[in-house]
Amino acid sequence: DAGVIQSPRHEVTEMGQEVTLRCKPISGHNSLFWYRQTMMRGLELLIYFNNNVPIDDSGMPEDRFSAKMPNASFSTLKIQPSEPRDSAVYFCASSNPSSGQETQYFGPGTRLLVL
Amino acid sequence: KQEVTQIPAALSVPEGENLVLNCSFTDSAIYNLQWFRQDPGKGLTSLLLIQSSQREQTSGRLNASLDKSSGRSTLYIAASQPGDSATYLCAVSPLGSSYDKVIFGPGTSLSVIP
Repeated sequence: DAGVIQSPRHEVTEMGQEVTLRCKPISGHNSLFWYRQTMMRGLELLIYFNNNVPIDDSGMPEDRFSAKMPNASFSTLKIQPSEPRDSAVYFCASSNPSSGQETQYFGPGTRLLVL
Repeated sequence: KQEVTQIPAALSVPEGENLVLNCSFTDSAIYNLQWFRQDPGKGLTSLLLIQSSQREQTSGRLNASLDKSSGRSTLYIAASQPGDSATYLCAVSPLGSSYDKVIFGPGTSLSVIP
């Protein structure tokens, strides 16, 4: 398996623009997680899905952030409108807890810069 | 190459005990160290973040220390409760690469017995 795939790897945009980050989890994994990482706050959980259903979105900072998982192999994290303080690295991770595998496998991340 | 280890791998204590979880890393050149809690089927919950210039952080019953020179961090949990049962992970962001290259330890599985 290719592991967790994220795109784009880098994104530079202007304040106010819509940003869409994409994630393909490892095939067979039924849990998917979105994290944000900054120097000051470290790694923070934004939202996670089990079997395509959002379970906990309490980490989503504002209504400008939304996440979807239309099927088991694809998820998006959207920021609209984007702001400079959204600049961070966004990670997607997946796991398969139903098979006893709690280990989360992280993607390479998307480095977002909002000017 | 940075390596992160955690001892013990598993720990079982009676409710009310104070306990210490250990994390060791091989390269002291780090941006920060972060402690997480993982509950089955859930995302990682950040507990404490210690920047490289800091020596400790506290949140409620939790206290984390950082000793870069010895490559160690400890997570102290006071007056443990059954709700503290989870896997605890430490993670370091090494210097020399972008800060987001987080390296996780294998975790300590904690069970607090009522």
